[in-house]
Amino acid sequence: AQSVTQLDSQVPVFEEAPVELRCNYSSSVSVYLFWYVQYPNQGLQLLLKYLSGSTLVESINGFEAEFNKSQTSFHLRKPSVHISDTAEYFCAVSEAQGGSEKLVFGKGTKLTVNP
Amino acid sequence: KAGVTQTPRYLIKTRGQQVTLSCSPISGHRSVSWYQQTPGQGLQFLFEYFSETQRNKGNFPGRFSGRQFSNSRSEMNVSTLELGDSALYLCASRARGGTGELFFGEGSRLTVL
Repeated sequence: AQSVTQLDSQVPVFEEAPVELRCNYSSSVSVYLFWYVQYPNQGLQLLLKYLSGSTLVESINGFEAEFNKSQTSFHLRKPSVHISDTAEYFCAVSEAQGGSEKLVFGKGTKLTVNP
Repeated sequence: KAGVTQTPRYLIKTRGQQVTLSCSPISGHRSVSWYQQTPGQGLQFLFEYFSETQRNKGNFPGRFSGRQFSNSRSEMNVSTLELGDSALYLCASRARGGTGELFFGEGSRLTVL
């Protein structure tokens, strides 16, 4: 079974500072990797995904993540955060089985952006 | 396009009772998955349904069950509730071919007293 480790449970930063949320996965086969975001009292929303091709993937709101196969990592970065980025971020890996697919999530990282 | 709708949003039950949660997927999505979210265990996969058939099941006891109807709406049921079942239950739908792209509802927050 696959697993995902998010190394930081909480990350406080100041507005306009850069941030990196770390994610490592365990898998010896091809993987599909995702970052989801959850704002307070809401469900999860897909932020970005890596399926194949370029190892650097970007979201529409300035986040990017880089797939590193040798280090089995998929860290999320943003060069300058806003107050509105305060949320919990989940890294996930897709696990396919007989036509079905489930996501295995990390425990999440709470990003708090302070003024 | 309407998003994934879950009802009820909040509910309180007592130990030993049962509960049914409902999920309406995005129109055209035939795959519906359920996840349990707790502070201690995080997000854990419960089951996935496609065209009224359960295709995958997570490591939960038999008290947790689900079903899907012909219109793709899904329900999950938890019988003989325990305190540890208190959680946010999230439903997600997926389009055919949409690898990993799950669209989540806002969840049903269950509190067991």
